[in-house]
Amino acid sequence: ELQLVESGGGLVQPGGSLRLSCAASGFTFSTYWMAWVRQAPGKGLEWVANIRQDGGETYSLDSVKGRFTISRDNAKNSLFLQMSSLRAEDTALYYCARVWSYGAGDYGMDVWGLGTTVTVSS
Amino acid sequence: EIVLTQSPGTLSLSPGEGATLSCRASQSVGRNYLAWYQQKPGQPPRLLMYGASSRANGIPDRFSGSASGTDFTLTISRLEPEDFAVYYCQHYANSPWTFGQGTNVEFK
Repeated sequence: ELQLVESGGGLVQPGGSLRLSCAASGFTFSTYWMAWVRQAPGKGLEWVANIRQDGGETYSLDSVKGRFTISRDNAKNSLFLQMSSLRAEDTALYYCARVWSYGAGDYGMDVWGLGTTVTVSS
Repeated sequence: EIVLTQSPGTLSLSPGEGATLSCRASQSVGRNYLAWYQQKPGQPPRLLMYGASSRANGIPDRFSGSASGTDFTLTISRLEPEDFAVYYCQHYANSPWTFGQGTNVEFK
């Protein structure tokens, strides 16, 4: 069964740090781009970051550059999001998602975890 | 950054009716590099469409997508009870990937 399970969320003070993890199973993790997407309470979806199969290429939202780092450990089938200098506006449910390549530049985030909640508050 | 604007914000419909959801991009999204997702309360998003008009694996054929320039449409031909949800468009033409603000398809 294809599965992504996020962990590591919690309550953190502004300026603090958290490391989110996403454990993948049921597919060959090392052959897929992966992504983090977040959803603030009662709001829409916001893409946060992507990482290539070998970890050698990453992209991220401007508002998190310099604060968040996406990484992966293919040997452990795991995706990470290191978050620092957290702000109230980073409060959200954070999903990890598998990025499926359909070829010719087409992609879709086709497998999602249930998310882990990050709350930034004093 | 490509801004995606979805309309309407809310669609109030009954089962069996058709639904037309729109997504307008602020600039070209390349070769229709646009996806649609469905999200139900308390659940993660579900991929419906990619390439604007190709259905993802397991998506029923009552869902269809189309494109005209920077205007994209998701059509649900006959609403089933399980189709009442929020729908998001999302582009992947370049970074940053962005989502529209969503259209809520609710029971009338």
